[in-house]
Amino acid sequence: GENVEQHPSTLSVQEGDSAVIKCTYSDSASNYFPWYKQELGKRPQLIIDIRSNVGEKKDQRIAVTLNKTAKHFSLHITETQPEDSAVYFCAATSGSTLGRLYFGRGTQLTVWP
Amino acid sequence: GAVVSQHPSWVICKSGTSVKIECRSLDFQATTMFWYRQFPKQSLMLMATSNEGSKATYEQGVEKDKFLINHASLTLSTLTVTSAHPEDSSFYICSARDNRNSREKLFFGSGTQLSVL
Repeated sequence: GENVEQHPSTLSVQEGDSAVIKCTYSDSASNYFPWYKQELGKRPQLIIDIRSNVGEKKDQRIAVTLNKTAKHFSLHITETQPEDSAVYFCAATSGSTLGRLYFGRGTQLTVWP
Repeated sequence: GAVVSQHPSWVICKSGTSVKIECRSLDFQATTMFWYRQFPKQSLMLMATSNEGSKATYEQGVEKDKFLINHASLTLSTLTVTSAHPEDSSFYICSARDNRNSREKLFFGSGTQLSVL
């Protein structure tokens, strides 16, 4: 099955700085890569996603890049704010069925005011 | 966005009892739902794929007789943890696929914290 590696496990940044979280995947058939934000005790919330036919996608302060050749995708958050503090998970599908997501281990992002 | 409702949000039970968790898609029909479990400070682990009108597909290592899944309608999937033991204590969360438009997306329920005494 799919194996998703995520780094770093923890990330601390100063408010206003940028944060980058990186993930790799193993299954070359994966074609959908969402990123989720999860606050303590709450459900994961989709913040951005990218499909394999696109190399980059941006939504305000959040961007995701995908390198299919390297099987690598990254989340970029610019102008971080304290409310960005949460656990972020990357995920990848295995095969063509959307939904069988395999998650990375998560990154605890802390943004200091 | 689509709404997925999950109940109960938390449950405490005695060892040996069974616990049922419901996952409902409130404003769309979901032929497929997914069940995950999450241990504290760990990632979400896919347990099974719930298919409306057919048997669930379980991931390797997940006991199908332990975690019974029923998807009897297009808006409801249930997960029953049978003969629960303390090691089953975890955060269980469902997701449903919304494919009403060209951009399929997954939406998660609010999760169920299960504590087995």
